[in-house]
Amino acid sequence: ETGVTQTPRHLVMGMTNKKSLKCEQHLGHNAMYWYKQSAKKPLELMFVYSLEERVENNSVPSRFSPECPNSSHLFLHLHTLQPEDSALYLCASSQELAENEKLFFGSGTQLSVL
Amino acid sequence: AQTVTQSQPEMSVQEAETVTLSCTYDTSESNYYLFWYKQPPSRQMILVIRQEAYKQQNATENRFSVNFQKAAKSFSLKISDSQLGDTAMYFCAFMKRVSYGGSQGNLIFGKGTKLSVKP
Repeated sequence: ETGVTQTPRHLVMGMTNKKSLKCEQHLGHNAMYWYKQSAKKPLELMFVYSLEERVENNSVPSRFSPECPNSSHLFLHLHTLQPEDSALYLCASSQELAENEKLFFGSGTQLSVL
Repeated sequence: AQTVTQSQPEMSVQEAETVTLSCTYDTSESNYYLFWYKQPPSRQMILVIRQEAYKQQNATENRFSVNFQKAAKSFSLKISDSQLGDTAMYFCAFMKRVSYGGSQGNLIFGKGTKLSVKP
């Protein structure tokens, strides 16, 4: 048990599909994040939720839509994706403003868009 | 904008030996954190070690230690007594502290170094 659980582990979808990625944290943290890890680029921050409010959206295309219904759950809704969106999507959480703030990551969802 | 550079795409080390992974970063910020994360084949990103920029003392965690040179903007990771389980991608990351004290989780990552520990 890592503290941050992501489902599914793998996802294959066509460009016209709609799917959702799920993340759950069991650490009592107050902030959650989506990161994208592509094969040839450094990890990129996509979305930040602090106290269930979205505080950052790093110019992510609208075909990615995050949702944070409570401090323990985070979703990433996907629709009409492109093949270049194929990547590992990592969820993370942290206790923001903590003296020793650090991010804890899940194992990711490996997404393939055909 | 901050950048993090890891100049060694791949490294290998014999079991029980010591290896050092390099990381440099560029920032105009004075208040920030630096991290090393490990990503084994399981894909989970695991925190290895953390350093606050205002602390001169280098962080250590068991077999892992850093050499933090703030003026040179260098943050290398030393792994002593390497074990087979240390085989993984290692990422150096930078996080600035914003004015209200939080970070908004904005880790800036390097491209990673693939470390192989050989028996």
